[in-house]
Parts: sequence; structure tokens; C-alpha cells
Amino acid sequence: GDSVTQMEGPVTLSEEAFLTINCTYTATGYPSLFWYVQYPGEGLQLLLKATKADDKGSNKGFEATYRKETTSFHLEKGSVQVSDSAVYFCALNTGFQKLVFGTGTRLLVSP
Amino acid sequence: DADVTQTPRNRITKTGKRIMLECSQTKGHDRMYWYRQDPGLGLRLIYYSFDVKDINKGEISDGYSVSRQAQAKFSLSLESAIPNQTALYFCATSDFTQGGETQYFGPGTRLLVL
Repeated sequence: GDSVTQMEGPVTLSEEAFLTINCTYTATGYPSLFWYVQYPGEGLQLLLKATKADDKGSNKGFEATYRKETTSFHLEKGSVQVSDSAVYFCALNTGFQKLVFGTGTRLLVSP
Repeated sequence: DADVTQTPRNRITKTGKRIMLECSQTKGHDRMYWYRQDPGLGLRLIYYSFDVKDINKGEISDGYSVSRQAQAKFSLSLESAIPNQTALYFCATSDFTQGGETQYFGPGTRLLVL
């Protein structure tokens, strides 16, 4: 079945460091790919998405590129801030209107 | 006001009790979902509904039931709660015109079953 694999956390960085959170997927067909973010005590919010191969999603300084050849959708940010501390979820949608989530990666950014 | 609200936000109950978690939305979306979140397991789909007359089981529906009382309301019930149902529960909605691609989540209900 469809699945998403994320790197385990926590990822601990200093402010202004470069961030990469790895995400790979297994899916039949051509899924849409998403990154959701969960801030402490809140629900999930869509961060960015990409709907086809080679698309790049971007938002709030975060970017991810849909790589069909490596079945990956890694999340990157050039300079993280303390306010970016949260749990990040990679997810896919194969067209049946249901999301399949990864297990989440916690990011901790220190001043 | 939040677009997707959940009540209660926190609940402690005892094994064997029946409880209901409620979700309301003001986004006008047809599609609604219930997920549970457990540490290290991500989010797993319990039930989903594409309109008032449509209810579907997700991957972990055993021990749960749902009711779609109106387009805006989708309730999750635990008929006889057990400790391994202790989790964080999220309701979500999505818009048909978006093909369900973007889901909007409520703030969650933290449930503890003793």
C-alpha cells in the first residue's frame, strides 16, 4: 500500500542553520505530495504542496521539490528561526481524497 | 473564530464509558475526517464522510463510530472506551473542488482513558 517514510527526530539546530528533513514515499500512480506543520498545542496546517513531478512547493522560506526518480519530497529551509520549532509531517494523496501521513519529525531550534 | 472547532479539547474517562467527540466547521466543506495521532505513528484515519449521507471506514475504525448530523457537524463516538484509545484526535475538512488535496484541521482533542 501507499506509505510515507520520514527521518526520525528530533532534529536540533541553532538559529540561522540550514534545515533538511527527508521524506520518501511509496505509491501507486502519481500522488500529490504535502508538508504539514504542527505547532505546539495546535492542529496541522498545510505548509506546502506539489502535485506533479519536478514541481517545487514553497512557503514561509520552506521549499520541497517533487522528485519522481527518487520518490522523494525533502523539506528544506535556508535559515531556520526559533519560531520554526514544530513537528513536520510529510503526506501523500493518491487521488482517493485520503491523506497518508509519515510519522512526523520534530524540529527544535535554539537561539 | 476558528474554521474547524472540536469539543472537548481535553477529556479524561474511564474504561468502559461511552464518550463523544464533536467537530464543527464553518468552511462549508462537504468532506470531513477523523484521525488519531499517536507518538511515533503519525496520523491514522478513523472515519471519513464525503457528504451527509456518506460514511466510510478508515484504516482503524474498530471501536469507533461516527455520525454526520449535518454538513457542518461530524461526531466521533467511543462506545466502550479502552486505554489504548488514549490519543490525540483530530477532525479535518476538505473542499470537493480541491479534490480533497488540502485538508484543514481542528485543534485536536486530547483523550485519556484510565
